[in-house]
Amino acid sequence: DAGVIQSPRHEVTEMGQEVTLRCKPISGHNSLFWYRQTMMRGLELLIYFNNNVPIDDSGMPEDRFSAKMPNASFSTLKIQPSEPRDSAVYFCASSSRTGGYYEQYFGPGTRLTVT
Amino acid sequence: AQSVTQLGSHVSVSEGALVLLRCNYSSSVPPYLFWYVQYPNQGLQLLLKYTSAATLVKGINGFEAEFKKSETSFHLTKPSAHMSDAAEYFCAVSHQAGTALIFGKGTTLSVSS
Repeated sequence: DAGVIQSPRHEVTEMGQEVTLRCKPISGHNSLFWYRQTMMRGLELLIYFNNNVPIDDSGMPEDRFSAKMPNASFSTLKIQPSEPRDSAVYFCASSSRTGGYYEQYFGPGTRLTVT
Repeated sequence: AQSVTQLGSHVSVSEGALVLLRCNYSSSVPPYLFWYVQYPNQGLQLLLKYTSAATLVKGINGFEAEFKKSETSFHLTKPSAHMSDAAEYFCAVSHQAGTALIFGKGTTLSVSS
């Protein structure tokens, strides 16, 4: 299995620009999570989906952030407009029931820099 | 609400020495507990998980952790450190299988020769 795939791996953009991060979960996994990692706040959940339906988006910072999961094999996280404080590493993770418990498998992350 | 506290943001050990990384959790219900490792510029890799089946959990790379309900702890140990263990380690908790993880701040492990 290829694991969770994220693209791009690195993104540098200017303040005010739209940024779209992409994630392909592991085939057969029915839960997908977006996390953000910063030095100040550590790892924090942004949003997660079960069976393509958003379950908890309480971590989404503000209306500038939006996430979609149009099908079981693809999700996007969009920031519009981007701001320097959005600079972080964004991780996507997926999971499914294995032996009765859910293990989350993480992608390599997208390092976003907003100048 | 669940929370995780990792004591010590940085731990240094010599190669061959015992590794002990501390994690305490707060949960109103029996938790699911996890340890993840992150190598530089990589994603997180699951080391081990506690799911109430056994209090002593063995993971990959020789790591293990013991769930102690009375102490609300889930400390990670390895008898003999190796240079390749140098990384950042995260303890995480979820209150229900399949829900989002709440992470601790992480502990950076350094191993010297």
